[in-house]
Order: sequence, then structure tokens, then C-alpha cells
Amino acid sequence: EAQVTQNPRYLITVTGKKLTVTCSQNMNHEYMSWYRQDPGLGLRQIYYSMNVEVTDKGDVPEGYKVSRKEKRNFPLILESPSPNQTSLYFCASSLRGLAPDTQYFGPGTRLTVL
Amino acid sequence: DAKTTQPNSMESNEEEPVHLPCNHSTISGTDYIHWYRQLPSQGPEYVIHGLTSNVNNRMASLAIAEDRKSSTLILHRATLRDAAVYYCILRFQQKLVFGQGTRLTINP
Repeated sequence: EAQVTQNPRYLITVTGKKLTVTCSQNMNHEYMSWYRQDPGLGLRQIYYSMNVEVTDKGDVPEGYKVSRKEKRNFPLILESPSPNQTSLYFCASSLRGLAPDTQYFGPGTRLTVL
Repeated sequence: DAKTTQPNSMESNEEEPVHLPCNHSTISGTDYIHWYRQLPSQGPEYVIHGLTSNVNNRMASLAIAEDRKSSTLILHRATLRDAAVYYCILRFQQKLVFGQGTRLTINP
């Protein structure tokens, strides 16, 4: 089954403790992206990757890092999480990241930073 | 990023058609019109997209005005499973820019 998977689905952590949220897709997509969703602010893009070893900032990249060493994986790294990064995170992928392409979203990771 | 305007909420009855409007008066010639929906506790899900012509797929139809300044997503026969937030998005390059969307309630 074609899908985007994220782990963990739920995470409660404390300020400053480094964490990684994994994202994997099995559709051989070149493009992957991370979004965060907050009440009243909607979904906002954090980082995206057009292909392996190619990443770029989205609208809200501060406090986040990403890497794209393999086509299927696009982990989101919070090196020193803070409470304002408490949010619902979604990973997405599409074939090439072009305007007509469909983006497929993962099920989400709910992160709470205390 | 070009903006879209949608009603905050709409309500319909099960098995009736639903027409979800979207205004995008600042659309440019290269913007695609995408619709996604987000069911409760799930990630966004692609519904349909178009550029200039009306489009149909198994989920819905997309009617695009001739001047492309507005569009309408049509669910031909709503079911309770169609209750979701529907997002109308203009897309030029890689990014999807989500607005607040329309929360659709379906009454049994």
C-alpha cells in the first residue's frame, strides 16, 4: 500500500531534549516536506526537499533541522525543543514537487514540549 | 502566495449534493487550483485539482469559472464520511499554502 508513515505518532518531551521525528514514504517520490498545524494558524511549511541531499527552508524553519540522505526518508530534528514547538506535525511527499502533483500526507505526530 | 477565500463553515444533509465555493481573485495564469480535505484526527487528503477546465474524479467535481477567479468543489452525494475541513489552495510551485478552509458538517 502506498503510504507516508511517521513515528512516533505521539510524543511528550521536556525543553532542550533533542528529538527526531521520522518520515518515510514507499512511493519513490522525489519531493518531501514537513508541515506543522496549530489552531488558528492552519498548516505551515517547515522545510522541504526536492530530492536527495537537496533541502530548503519553508515558512517556519526556526528551531528545526532536516536531512535527506535517502530518497524514502526525511527526518525532522528538533535539537533543543521549546514549548512553542508543541504542535501537530505532518510529513508529505509527492512525485516531483511540481504544481500539478498530488501531495500525500502522513497521519501526523502530536508533539508536546513541557 | 495568492490567497483564497472560503466560508468558515457549511452544513448539508446526507445524500444531498454539496457545493463548496472558493474565491481566488488574485490567481495568476500558472496557478493550479487544488482541493484537499482533512478528516478529524487525520492528515490532509487530496481531493481534486484543475487549471482551467472543469474536472471530475471519483471523489468530486471541480467547476472553475471562466475568468478563473472562483471555483466550486462539488460533492455529488454527501455521506457522513465527507464531514471534514475542505481547503482550496492555489499552487504555483512546490508549496501548498493552506488557509483556514471550510468546515463541512453533514447531517444524517
